[in-house]
Parts: sequence; C-alpha cells; structure tokens
Amino acid sequence: NAGVTQTPKFQVLKTGQSMTLQCAQDMNHNSMYWYRQDPGMGLRLIYYSASEGTTDKGEVPNGYNVSRLNKREFSLRLESAAPSQTSVYFCASSDKGGNIQYFGAGTRLSVL
Amino acid sequence: AQKITQTQPGMFVQEKEAVTLDCTYDTSDPSYGLFWYKQPSSGEMIFLIYQGSYDQQNATEGRYSLNFQKARKSANLVISASQLGDSAMYFCAMREGSYGGATNKLIFGTGTLLAVQP
Repeated sequence: NAGVTQTPKFQVLKTGQSMTLQCAQDMNHNSMYWYRQDPGMGLRLIYYSASEGTTDKGEVPNGYNVSRLNKREFSLRLESAAPSQTSVYFCASSDKGGNIQYFGAGTRLSVL
Repeated sequence: AQKITQTQPGMFVQEKEAVTLDCTYDTSDPSYGLFWYKQPSSGEMIFLIYQGSYDQQNATEGRYSLNFQKARKSANLVISASQLGDSAMYFCAMREGSYGGATNKLIFGTGTLLAVQP
C-alpha cells in the first residue's frame, strides 16, 4: 500500500543549484498536485495536473517547473534554487479534480 | 476571494474529553467542499473527513465529526474522546466546485496545533 511516494525525503542545495523532486502514485489517480508548506502559512498549491498531459499553475508557481511524465509520475523542478524556496514540499493525488487528495510523506528542502 | 481561517494557533485538551477545532471559510461559489487533514509530528498529511456544500447531514468518521453551519460559513472539526495520538497539527481546507468535478485547487488554513494531555 505505497500510495504516494516522494523522493528524496531530505535535500540541501546551494543557491543557484537545480534539482528535481520526484513523485509517483500507484492508485491510478488522474490528478496530481505539488504544494509547499511554510511555517505559519499552511499549504500552498504550486502546480497541478488534472490529467496526463496537462499541467496548470497554482497559487505560487514562480521558480518552478513541472512534468507529468505519465499517469503515475509528476515531477517538480527547481532550475535555480533560491533561499526563499526552503520549505517542505508535498505531492498529492486524487482520482478526480474535486475529490479527496492523498499526500506523500513530503520532501524537506533547504537552500543555503 | 476564497479563504480559510483557523483562529486557534494551539489548543490543549485532556485525554478522553471532546475538543472542537474552529474553521471558517469564505467563497462565492454555491458548490464547494470542506476537508480536514491531520499532520502528526512525523510530517505526513492524513485525510480525516469531508463535507460537501449540498450535504444535508454533518459528516462523521469514527471519532471525528464536522459541525457544518452553512449560514455562518463554519466547518468546525469535533474530536470526541481525545487520545494521546490525536496530538498533531490540524488543517482545514476548501475546494470550490463540485465533488468529482474539474476544479483541482485546495486552499488551506494555517492550522491548529492540538496537544492532548494525559
């Protein structure tokens, strides 16, 4: 019962470095999401993919790119990391757009 | 604009007592959904309960119930018979649009940290 799997769990980057956060779900869900969680601010939507082959911006998309590689996988890329991107990143999926979203365990990212 | 407000940054409750976590929302869409998630210290987000705007009855899931007052735009989470394992951060979230529809965006509140005391 893997559900939503995120890798890596922890990452430290230097300013300007790039990296890709990986997310995979095994629930045959159509929709996938990337959120960031900062202290005192709850979760904010970065990007989402309503179905394979489509992606859309959320509330805080600047500095990020995404790829919906196939139905299972949705990756988040930081092309040039900035300290403001230090956060905990969560991937989620749902079978349809408005339905319950199930979350991965999160990736804790620090940009120095 | 769509907004979720959780005014209680932190709360204490005695083990075996009931506790209510407050959540108010703002939306102009007549169709929406309200969710509660639990985030324990381990960090994962766990879905607890869902209430649709057209649901006539308050949602219940085991010890969790959602006190939905549509006119007041509130969706408070009630946990009955608190347990030590209930100590966690709790987030209220809202989605505009109907269940199963095209809308994908969840808006989260800032959370309430609940501490259950023995």
